[in-house]
Amino acid sequence: DAKTTQPNSMESNEEEPVHLPCNHSTISGTDYIHWYRQLPSQGPEYVIHGLTSNVNNRMASLAIAEDRKSSTLILHRATLRDAAVYYCILRDHGSGGGADGLTFGKGTHLIIQP
Amino acid sequence: DTGVSQDPRHKITKRGQNVTFRCDPISEHNRLYWYRQTLGQGPEFLTYFQNEAQLEKSRLLSDRFSAERPKGSFSTLEIQRTEQGDSAMYLCASSKPRGQGIDTQYFGPGTRLTVL
Repeated sequence: DAKTTQPNSMESNEEEPVHLPCNHSTISGTDYIHWYRQLPSQGPEYVIHGLTSNVNNRMASLAIAEDRKSSTLILHRATLRDAAVYYCILRDHGSGGGADGLTFGKGTHLIIQP
Repeated sequence: DTGVSQDPRHKITKRGQNVTFRCDPISEHNRLYWYRQTLGQGPEFLTYFQNEAQLEKSRLLSDRFSAERPKGSFSTLEIQRTEQGDSAMYLCASSKPRGQGIDTQYFGPGTRLTVL
């Protein structure tokens, strides 16, 4: 899976929007962009994924740049429960792809101030 | 609760001892993954099963590590002759069969191993 680059940490205030960036300049045409997060003392949990178009679900929104070399995870109204490490992961879903493990980086440690 | 369970949640052992961890995936998921996570790092992939077949092993999985999934349901991860460097969180995840959409992985709570 191609490499992603994320800031080590970000800080935001409760009830404000949070924009978590991810750079993936070597993304291939069959790579999906996945986001997982890991709350303290828990296993990672799936947040959202996308290929080309922006995506929304009940947890977050994913904005994908037109050239797909970067993306942004948007938490519309952060709460204290959103404090976690957020991982941006590329996942090849081309022919024969998507069968192996996820490649996590260090992710972005999101701190939410009350 | 994702539906993936792991047992035990915590294990403290002395160097040189053998340990075994168990993972029970979501019942309809045929894929099962093991990861290891050390402090301050993201999870690292160890191995992957599709049904009972072990299809991939990371270079991180030394000869002292062995994983099984005998009936395609639960899985065990055994570490023989533990070393202090094996201290980590061991995470299990499962996902749906290929062809049923994007293979979102559902993670268990992990087993924290401390080797003294």
